[in-house]
Amino acid sequence: DAGVTQSPTHLIKTRGQQVTLRCSPKSGHDTVSWYQQALGQGPQFIFQYYEEEERQRGNFPDRFSGHQFPNYSSELNVNALLLGDSALYLCASSKTGVNTGELFFGEGSRLTVL
Amino acid sequence: DQQVKQNSPSLSVQEGRISILNCDYTNSMFDYFLWYKKYPAEGPTFLISISSIKDKNEDGRFTVFLNKSAKHLSLHIVPSQPGDSAVYFCAASGTGSARQLTFGSGTQLTVLP
Repeated sequence: DAGVTQSPTHLIKTRGQQVTLRCSPKSGHDTVSWYQQALGQGPQFIFQYYEEEERQRGNFPDRFSGHQFPNYSSELNVNALLLGDSALYLCASSKTGVNTGELFFGEGSRLTVL
Repeated sequence: DQQVKQNSPSLSVQEGRISILNCDYTNSMFDYFLWYKKYPAEGPTFLISISSIKDKNEDGRFTVFLNKSAKHLSLHIVPSQPGDSAVYFCAASGTGSARQLTFGSGTQLTVLP
């Protein structure tokens, strides 16, 4: 049973560029959440997708956008990259209707902005 | 404004002894609390959780205690093993928040052999 998979694992961009990160949820899961983890900090909620719609959003600017596909996979897009966007981006999946708070995380995509 | 705080960035304990990791929260709307463990180059993995209707939950060597009046929870690991060395994150979510987790900044636990 494949867990949450993310790609790419590492990438380097320059300021002003755009980046797309990808996530495939755990089998049987229909909800995908994205988190940003800066160095020395805990993960911070960006947004959550369910039924191809953004269901919730954290305190992130509109430069951060996402998408969920019919097969439940998801993309995170960040435009006009800033140095402060350098972080580990974590995708987490869950199944709606299962009454626990548990999320299953991928290994993350480490983004470096130069 | 940090709604979930882990005030100890690091903790070292001897193998076989008890590890106690602490977490404080400020948002009274939180009703579900979780602990995650993270090894380097891996994503966080779920460890144990507790609902606000309980004050204790146990799973093998791991026990989580919740003190709602103090807005405090703790994770006890007994006995500690070298493989427990990792960063531990406390997280919380509220009713209707569809598992939007708010994380603390983590505590690096080192278990010395």
